[in-house]
Amino acid sequence: GENVEQHPSTLSVQEGDSAVIKCTYSDSASNYFPWYKQELGKGPQLIIDIRSNVGEKKDQRIAVTLNKTAKHFSLHITETQPEDSAVYFCAARSLTDSWGKLQFGAGTQVVVTP
Amino acid sequence: NAGVTQTPKFQVLKTGQSMTLQCAQDMNHEYMSWYRQDPGMGLRLIHYSVGAGITDQGEVPNGYNVSRSTTEDFPLRLLSAAPSQTSVYFCASSYSRENEAFFGQGTRLTVV
Repeated sequence: GENVEQHPSTLSVQEGDSAVIKCTYSDSASNYFPWYKQELGKGPQLIIDIRSNVGEKKDQRIAVTLNKTAKHFSLHITETQPEDSAVYFCAARSLTDSWGKLQFGAGTQVVVTP
Repeated sequence: NAGVTQTPKFQVLKTGQSMTLQCAQDMNHEYMSWYRQDPGMGLRLIHYSVGAGITDQGEVPNGYNVSRSTTEDFPLRLLSAAPSQTSVYFCASSYSRENEAFFGQGTRLTVV
């Protein structure tokens, strides 16, 4: 089955700097890659996703890139703000999974210091 | 819409006790899932359902039971709680295989 690895496990950045989180996946048939943000005491919430037919997607200060050949995808947050502090999860879904289950990475704790 | 509602938010159980974690969604979603979240291990799938009457096991199903009698509800049952089941549990739902998954606020369970 699909295996997703996520790095780093913790990331500390100065406010205004950029943050990058990287994930690799094992199943070449994976075609959907969402990113979730989990604030303290809350459930994960989708912030951006990308499908395998595109290489990059942007939404304001957030962008995701996908390299299908290398089987990795990354989340980029620019001009970080204190409210970006949270745990971020990447995930992947494979075409070979008939019920479309998501496989999650272990998460990255992002701390933005003023 | 309330989205995905989980109850209770917190629970302490003694080893061997049973309980049911409730999950309800009001978005008419066919797909529902239960995950557990443990430090350094991300979200691991326990059980999932693709519609009323249809359930299957995920990555870590041992010690948990589910059933899906209605589209709205997907309860998770612990028959005999063990300390290893101390975790935060999340329920999620989506309209279909291709759509975004929405998560509930979570249930923090401690088994002593």
